[in-house]
Amino acid sequence: SQTIHQWPATLVQPVGSPLSLECTVEGTSNPNLYWYRQAAGRGLQLLFYSVGIGQISSEVPQNLSASRPQDRQFILSSKKLLLSDSGFYLCAWSDRFYGYTFGSGTRLTVV
Amino acid sequence: AQSVAQPEDQVNVAEGNPLTVKCTYSVSGNPYLFWYVQYPNRGLQFLLKYITGDNLVKGSYGFEAEFNKSQTSFHLKKPSALVSDSALYFCAVSPLRTGGGNKLTFGTGTQLKVEL
Repeated sequence: SQTIHQWPATLVQPVGSPLSLECTVEGTSNPNLYWYRQAAGRGLQLLFYSVGIGQISSEVPQNLSASRPQDRQFILSSKKLLLSDSGFYLCAWSDRFYGYTFGSGTRLTVV
Repeated sequence: AQSVAQPEDQVNVAEGNPLTVKCTYSVSGNPYLFWYVQYPNRGLQFLLKYITGDNLVKGSYGFEAEFNKSQTSFHLKKPSALVSDSALYFCAVSPLRTGGGNKLTFGTGTQLKVEL
């Protein structure tokens, strides 16, 4: 069966520090991968999606970047965090038939 | 462009009563529709989906949803609400296509509160 792992669960980082959030998928190949941010416990904002290794599409220009170094690995990064980067970050994968499966999320607080 | 509207920020219902969470959508062609549930500080969990076939779709935890093409709606329903159903519910839509790249568009979410 397919599983998705996202870590860490919580993270407190100072302003100006770097960020790396990792997401990995097991049990499937060539998944579509997504990074979302959820602010204030409500709406989901699509940040990046990827349909293959090295293929990244950015939905919202901002202080973040994404990379897909391996087929089932998706990384969200920042060189210098801003206070406004605080939020709940969700990774998800999909294939053409089953919709999205979400990771458990990372609560990022920038202080 | 596709879009989803969840007109209610919050729905309150008494335990044991039926519940409905509303969703309307806009998409080119035939829709691929989903409902997800989110508990506090957790990822979204899949509840049910509609692709084709019977307009009444049954999903997890006793939830069901009715697809209405003429009204472009996909309302989530449950005959008897439980306190444990209290959570944030998201409707989502994607155009149905076979070539992959099925990027979902999510609604803004509806907070369901079930009280004793």
